Amino acid sequence: AQSVSQHNHHVILSEAASLELGCNYSYGGTVNLFWYVQYPGQHLQLLLKYFSGDPLVKGIKGFEAEFIKSKFSFNLRKPSVQWSDTAEYFCAVNAPSGTYKYIFGTGTRLKVLA
Amino acid sequence: NAGVTQTPKFQVLKTGQSMTLQCAQDMNHEYMSWYRQDPGMGLRLIHYSVGAGITDQGEVPNGYNVSRSTTEDFPLRLLSAAPSQTSVYFCASSYSEAYEQYFGPGTRLTVT
Repeated sequence: AQSVSQHNHHVILSEAASLELGCNYSYGGTVNLFWYVQYPGQHLQLLLKYFSGDPLVKGIKGFEAEFIKSKFSFNLRKPSVQWSDTAEYFCAVNAPSGTYKYIFGTGTRLKVLA
Repeated sequence: NAGVTQTPKFQVLKTGQSMTLQCAQDMNHEYMSWYRQDPGMGLRLIHYSVGAGITDQGEVPNGYNVSRSTTEDFPLRLLSAAPSQTSVYFCASSYSEAYEQYFGPGTRLTVT
């Protein structure tokens, strides 16, 4: 069965620090990969997605993620975080040839100190 | 476009009561889904639908029922509420099951 692991459950950073959030999935076939963000009190919204092509994808608000197929990873990065990036971040995997069910990771709560 | 709407925003139920959480979308999306979000557990799929008249179970379907009579609406029914169903419920829709999902604002449900 598909599964998604997010290793960091809570991350605290100061403004301007660099961010990397880990995401690993377990599925041997072709996958679509997503990062969603949930700001306090709001619903989830898409940060970025990977379907195919360039494994380095850029999303909104300066976020990017790199798909490394050999490592089954899709880590999220941002070179310099801002206080407004305080949120919960979810990695999600969908396998087009599988069961068509989205699997979400357990989420990483990021707190950025001003 | 209103996107994905959910009602109610908050609800308190007593154990054994039933209720329906409403979800509607105006984007003509075929794929719709219901998730519950619990601390430390992320989002877990309850039920999903790939089109009107077609529904299927997700990871945690027990105690919930769905139907999809129109493309726009995908209500979630709690048959007999239990404290374990205290959670935040999100509805989402998508152009197809392979694409990014658009989420509603959520319903916070407490069962006492």
